[in-house]
Amino acid sequence: GAVVSQHPSRVICKSGTSVKIECRSLDFQATTMFWYRQFPKQSLMLMATSNEGSKATYEQGVEKDKFLINHASLTLSTLTVTSAHPEDSSFYICSASGPGLAGGNEQFFGPGTRLTVL
Amino acid sequence: GQNIDQPTEMTATEGAIVQINCTYQTSGFNGLFWYQQHAGEAPTFLSYNVLDGLEEKGRFSSFLSRSKGYSYLLLKELQMKDSASYLCAVSPGGYNKLIFGAGTRLAVHP
Repeated sequence: GAVVSQHPSRVICKSGTSVKIECRSLDFQATTMFWYRQFPKQSLMLMATSNEGSKATYEQGVEKDKFLINHASLTLSTLTVTSAHPEDSSFYICSASGPGLAGGNEQFFGPGTRLTVL
Repeated sequence: GQNIDQPTEMTATEGAIVQINCTYQTSGFNGLFWYQQHAGEAPTFLSYNVLDGLEEKGRFSSFLSRSKGYSYLLLKELQMKDSASYLCAVSPGGYNKLIFGAGTRLAVHP
């Protein structure tokens, strides 16, 4: 099946620093990638949708200047949390959509990145 | 608006059958997904329904009624490893985005 990787899996940083998270589709071309955040015991909240070579589409309430998304190739998307604060601590999960099951609608999820901001 | 409802928690006995319901109201409909998520891990795909009816895959089955905005996930012969959160998600159309429900935490006990 399709495999999506994320790096790093866990990161701890100081308040005010920036953190970059990478999401890669390893064995397929991801025309669309999605970024979610998930707080403990809550569901996934879609932050933004990115298509290769174009600007990301952010969900309402998500600050595009704080959460920078780049989808430079069909296998790589990055999320940069700029000037991170403790309230940004969360589980960040990416997913990728491409040729696969479910008529191409299926999303393949990465293993997630646990961000802790001190 | 977009709204997806599912029970918060359920418990069941090993070897039994459990049904997890999901109702949805979305601006469009391009399919409904069920995902399983263990604590601290990413969701894994279980099933996809776009037409009315039942889809069976081993111990897992999923049902959809588009006219009622309703789906359920049926788990048979429950095992302890089935203890997880089960997420109902709807694709409302457009860029293949998914809207997730809050998830149902299932606890399987001996």
